[in-house]
Amino acid sequence: GAGVSQTPSNKVTEKGKYVELRCDPISGHTALYWYRQSLGQGPEFLIYFQGTGAADDSGLPNDRFFAVRPEGSVSTLKIQRTERGDSAVYLCASSSPGQGSGYTFGSGTRLTVV
Amino acid sequence: ILNVEQSPQSLHVQEGDSTNFTCSFPSSNFYALHWYRWETAKSPEALFVMTLNGDEKKKGRISATLNTKEGYSYLYIKGSQPEDSATYLCALQTGANNLFFGTGTRLTVIP
Repeated sequence: GAGVSQTPSNKVTEKGKYVELRCDPISGHTALYWYRQSLGQGPEFLIYFQGTGAADDSGLPNDRFFAVRPEGSVSTLKIQRTERGDSAVYLCASSSPGQGSGYTFGSGTRLTVV
Repeated sequence: ILNVEQSPQSLHVQEGDSTNFTCSFPSSNFYALHWYRWETAKSPEALFVMTLNGDEKKKGRISATLNTKEGYSYLYIKGSQPEDSATYLCALQTGANNLFFGTGTRLTVIP
């Protein structure tokens, strides 16, 4: 596609439920990133994929968070047993190899846990 | 976690005024410095990626400078317009991947 697509754009869920957030990156971009922005903060790194593998998952806050990218394109961020503190905007970005062009971000999924 | 700081946190300017804001970062492990513009309900948009000390980049009325030795970057907007209203984020890249973002400067341009 022309840009990075994230679905859903908004998700309201009850505490304790499971949610999946989807990211469809720019075709041909091998690198994919998930970030989370909480109110009043800058985006915080969660996980980085190079192709199908998670090259760096050091930003995942705990084992309730998991992400996959099975075919090297679409990625799904999965959150189990959601907590109110998980409420945030979840941003996905993709990039092509080499620096210089910046990352292309999606418009995010606003997750609200009630 | 690296500490990337942006100031001011927010500002209001009149249409036509020029303005600037600051991003400061630890100068060790520097790889690149990114600037993004994030309008409400839209995607963050890449403005500049800067790598060289002393670098200056320009895009229309917006320009940015970089000092990697002292660890700061300035973003300038000349002749602000209402459509410039957005949150401006800077991010430090320390390696081949991963960005450490500041908390942003929220700019409001008053018509």
